[in-house]
Amino acid sequence: DTAVSQTPKYLVTQMGNDKSIKCEQNLGHDTMYWYKQDSKKFLKIMFSYNNKELIINETVPNRFSPKSPDKAHLNLHINSLELGDSAVYFCASSQAGGGFSYNSPLHFGNGTRLTVT
Amino acid sequence: SQELEQSPQSLIVQEGKNLTINCTSSKTLYGLYWYKQKYGEGLIFLMMLQKGGEEKSHEKITAKLDEKKQQSSLHITASQPSHAGIYLCGAYGSNYQLIWGAGTKLIIKP
Repeated sequence: DTAVSQTPKYLVTQMGNDKSIKCEQNLGHDTMYWYKQDSKKFLKIMFSYNNKELIINETVPNRFSPKSPDKAHLNLHINSLELGDSAVYFCASSQAGGGFSYNSPLHFGNGTRLTVT
Repeated sequence: SQELEQSPQSLIVQEGKNLTINCTSSKTLYGLYWYKQKYGEGLIFLMMLQKGGEEKSHEKITAKLDEKKQQSSLHITASQPSHAGIYLCGAYGSNYQLIWGAGTKLIIKP
């Protein structure tokens, strides 16, 4: 019974295309996140939503647009894909409200490996 | 900006040996988390430390947070192949943003 699930697991596409990654959590958490993990394994926060509202929006190109239809889902849409977008994208959720809580660890999905050719 | 530095970057250990991974910050940490990542998988939560001097154990893995709350260590006793992976520390810094170390890649030699 997967807690945080994201699809697809692998995504190979050409430059200029538009693609979406979906994420769902069944933990009843209030906050969801998108992270990007680069080739050096650095995890970088992209977006955070709390109860469908955007609370963190780091410096990310506006080609990336998150959408949260309800608090259990946070999808990531990417327009005009570029080579530099190739990375592993992780969705996560936590019980934290307002974007952080020292007592609330993040639960991660298994990642989506995006390759742009 | 506050950063977390992990050391070593990679580690090769003979099966059965003990090992330690460190996570260091120049500023006070709040809510220090340890995660493990296997290739092709997400990050699995291991432990959370909050108080200075706190120590927690799970099976053969022990994590400590120093009194100043600026350094944490993860110690594995009698390592096994199942311990192989990338270990990441994450913590809330003074600006209440969650920051991450670059990870330590652990390889266990049989």
